[in-house]
Amino acid sequence: SQTIHQWPATLVQPVGSPLSLECTVEGTSNPNLYWYRQAAGRGLQLLFYSVGIGQISSEVPQNLSASRPQDRQFILSSKKLLLSDSGFYLCAWNRARNTEAFFGQGTRLTVV
Amino acid sequence: DAKTTQPPSMDCAEGRAANLPCNHSTISGNEYVYWYRQIHSQGPQYIIHGLKNNETNEMASLIITEDRKSSTLILPHATLRDTAVYYCIVRDPGGSQGNLIFGKGTKLSVKP
Repeated sequence: SQTIHQWPATLVQPVGSPLSLECTVEGTSNPNLYWYRQAAGRGLQLLFYSVGIGQISSEVPQNLSASRPQDRQFILSSKKLLLSDSGFYLCAWNRARNTEAFFGQGTRLTVV
Repeated sequence: DAKTTQPPSMDCAEGRAANLPCNHSTISGNEYVYWYRQIHSQGPQYIIHGLKNNETNEMASLIITEDRKSSTLILPHATLRDTAVYYCIVRDPGGSQGNLIFGKGTKLSVKP
């Protein structure tokens, strides 16, 4: 069966510090991978998606970047965090268009 | 932007059916309707999806109108654990392969 792992579960970082969140998927190959962010009390916003190794598309301009160094690994990064980067970050995957997506348990990031 | 409209909140008595409506009047012919739910501080969980026919699985039923401009998610016997935010989503044809664009959802409160 397929599983998705996301870590850490919670993170408190000072303004201006770097960020690296990691997501890995097991039990499937060549998944579509996604990073979403959910600000407090708001819906999920798609940040990045990837259809293959090294292929990253950004949905919104922002202070974050994403990379996919391996088929089942998706990394969300920032060189210098802003207060506005605080939120609940979710990684997700699916096999192809019009198939259901499966989400990780999320990382709650607080920038102080 | 999300292409669906949902009521912001609903209440349901435990043991009763919960009927969650969704309007998607601009849905195109190839777009599927997906339902997810998010229990507080967890990643969204896939519930069900459909194109034009009604669908049923172990979690819920999905009723799609003949013109496909609206749908209803039915939880036949709601329990307290069904309290969550329920998202109705149509796949974005202008986005990437398999993108899911989330709106604000309906917060369902199941009461004893």
